[in-house]
Amino acid sequence: KNQVEQSPQSLIILEGKNCTLQCNYTVSPFSNLRWYKQDTGRGPVSLTIMTFSENTKSNGRYTATLDADTKQSSLHITASQLSDSASYICVVSSLNTGNQFYFGTGTSLTVIP
Amino acid sequence: DTGVSQDPRHKITKRGQNVTFRCDPISEHNRLYWYRQTLGQGPEFLTYFQNEAQLEKSRLLSDRFSAERPKGSFSTLEIQRTEQGDSAMYLCASSFPRGRGPAIYNEQFFGPGTRLTVL
Repeated sequence: KNQVEQSPQSLIILEGKNCTLQCNYTVSPFSNLRWYKQDTGRGPVSLTIMTFSENTKSNGRYTATLDADTKQSSLHITASQLSDSASYICVVSSLNTGNQFYFGTGTSLTVIP
Repeated sequence: DTGVSQDPRHKITKRGQNVTFRCDPISEHNRLYWYRQTLGQGPEFLTYFQNEAQLEKSRLLSDRFSAERPKGSFSTLEIQRTEQGDSAMYLCASSFPRGRGPAIYNEQFFGPGTRLTVL
């Protein structure tokens, strides 16, 4: 069964600290993996996208890693800011025809001053 | 702004009423998706279109739900006889798959969502 699991479910960190969010998946055949940031009451916005041949990608203070062998990904946030408070969703797409996207339930991050 | 727009942004309705939401995708995107999202959960797939054809529907899409994309551009999602359990954020996304085989690249761009509250 194609599934995406994220951990932790929620996280509270102090402003300026780093954190790492995890995503494990069983989606096959794998096409690519995305991390989205979703502010409360808004639609998700893409942070990074990685295909099977990429194992790291950065977008400013966000760095995503992908291990296609163990089917794990992480999103590392450096020097967190209050504006990083949001839900972070891992989405894995498959090469199957039809609907290809499998969503995690997200990690809710709260950055406190 | 991702280029995908949704209207309205918020809708409050009484139980039993019908509601219709609209999504305008990025113009060159041939795929359009509808999702439902409740608080603390990830988006749940409802249905998707390739051009004007509705190719897949989730079991979540009961008989009270219908979606259309008549000209392969904008799409509407209608909920008839709304129930309190329909209260959620309804998200639309569009994409344009590129490449072939393992290099296929299909990135979704999401709209801001329509927040539905059924009283």
